Amino acid sequence: GENVEQHPSTLSVQEGDSAVIKCTYSDSASNYFPWYKQELGKRPQLIIDIRSNVGEKKDQRIAVTLNKTAKHFSLHITETQPEDSAVYFCAAGGGSTLGRLYFGRGTQLTVWP
Amino acid sequence: GAVVSQHPSRVICKSGTSVKIECRSLDFQATTMFWYRQFPKQSLMLMATSNEGSKATYEQGVEKDKFLINHASLTLSTLTVTSAHPEDSSFYICSASPRTSYTDTQYFGPGTRLTVL
Repeated sequence: GENVEQHPSTLSVQEGDSAVIKCTYSDSASNYFPWYKQELGKRPQLIIDIRSNVGEKKDQRIAVTLNKTAKHFSLHITETQPEDSAVYFCAAGGGSTLGRLYFGRGTQLTVWP
Repeated sequence: GAVVSQHPSRVICKSGTSVKIECRSLDFQATTMFWYRQFPKQSLMLMATSNEGSKATYEQGVEKDKFLINHASLTLSTLTVTSAHPEDSSFYICSASPRTSYTDTQYFGPGTRLTVL
């Protein structure tokens, strides 16, 4: 089955700095890579996703890059704000997983004002 | 759009009893719903995939007789934890994938905190 590794587990940045979270996956058939943000006690919220026919996708301060050859993808948050503080999860799926998603262990991002 | 609800949000029960959790897609039809378990400060662990009108597909290591899943309609899936024990205490969260979407996008419910005494 799919195995997703996520790093780092914790990340602290100063407001205005950039944050980068990296994930690797094992199943070369995976073709869908979403990122979710989960605030304490709340549901995961989809913030951005990318498909394997695209190398990069951007939405305002958030961008995701995908290297299918190396089987890794990354989340980039620029101009971080305190409200970006949350746990971020990457996931991989699609392809042979029939819609199932497999999640990384999460990154606790703290943005200090 | 793409709102998923879950009920109840919290439940406390005695060991040995069964607990049913409902997951509903409120404004879309869901071909597939998924059930996850999340331990404190840990990731989302996929338990099973629920397809309307067919048997659920369970992940390796998940006891299908303990975690009964029913997907009776395109907007409702239920998870029943049978003969619950303290080790079943956890945060259970469902997600739903829209029928009309060709993508694998999943929208999550707010989760159910189960505490077994």
